[in-house]
Amino acid sequence: GAVVSQHPSRVICKSGTSVKIECRSLDFQATTMFWYRQFPKQSLMLMATSNEGSKATYEQGVEKDKFLINHASLTLSTLTVTSAHPEDSSFYICSAKLGRTGELFFGEGSRLTVL
Amino acid sequence: KQEVTQIPAALSVPEGENLVLNCSFTDSAIYNLQWFRQDPGKGLTSLLLIQSSQREQTSGRLNASLDKSSGRSTLYIAASQPGDSATYLCAVSGGNTNAGKSTFGDGTTLTVKP
Repeated sequence: GAVVSQHPSRVICKSGTSVKIECRSLDFQATTMFWYRQFPKQSLMLMATSNEGSKATYEQGVEKDKFLINHASLTLSTLTVTSAHPEDSSFYICSAKLGRTGELFFGEGSRLTVL
Repeated sequence: KQEVTQIPAALSVPEGENLVLNCSFTDSAIYNLQWFRQDPGKGLTSLLLIQSSQREQTSGRLNASLDKSSGRSTLYIAASQPGDSATYLCAVSGGNTNAGKSTFGDGTTLTVKP
């Protein structure tokens, strides 16, 4: 199957700093990517839909100024957690949609810990 | 609003057993349905994708079926192995195009005992 790479896999930062997570589709072009948050022993919570060349669409309750999403190319979307606080600590996962079939391919996830 | 339910939430079986995981959805207007596995602390791995016009897909020991009219899908795992232990999630993509968002179930956590 197609490959999506997410980086970094783990990041620890101090409260008040910003953290950027990258999501790359390595062997296909993805017009649409998605960002999720996952709490322990729970399913995925969709945060936003990232569309190449346009603004991201955020789910209700997700602060767009807090979670900045940029999808500047067909193979790269980034999520920046701005002014991170301990409650932002979580597992963040991205996925990329293969346009031809609609199949989703996921990154390996990024564990964010805010001290 | 689409809702996806997976039953059971957890399942423990001895090695070698055949088993079935269930996924139900409330809105039959779907574009596709996809099954994933997730290992602890990892992302999701795509197992099978069934388009709305299809009835089933097979890959190795896995077989997934789709009955749109009844809003159900099953994932059949033959001759289970300890390496199959993981959380299995189903996701349905809504609407008549591939532009829709996917709705995920809460998953079934499978443990295969040696």
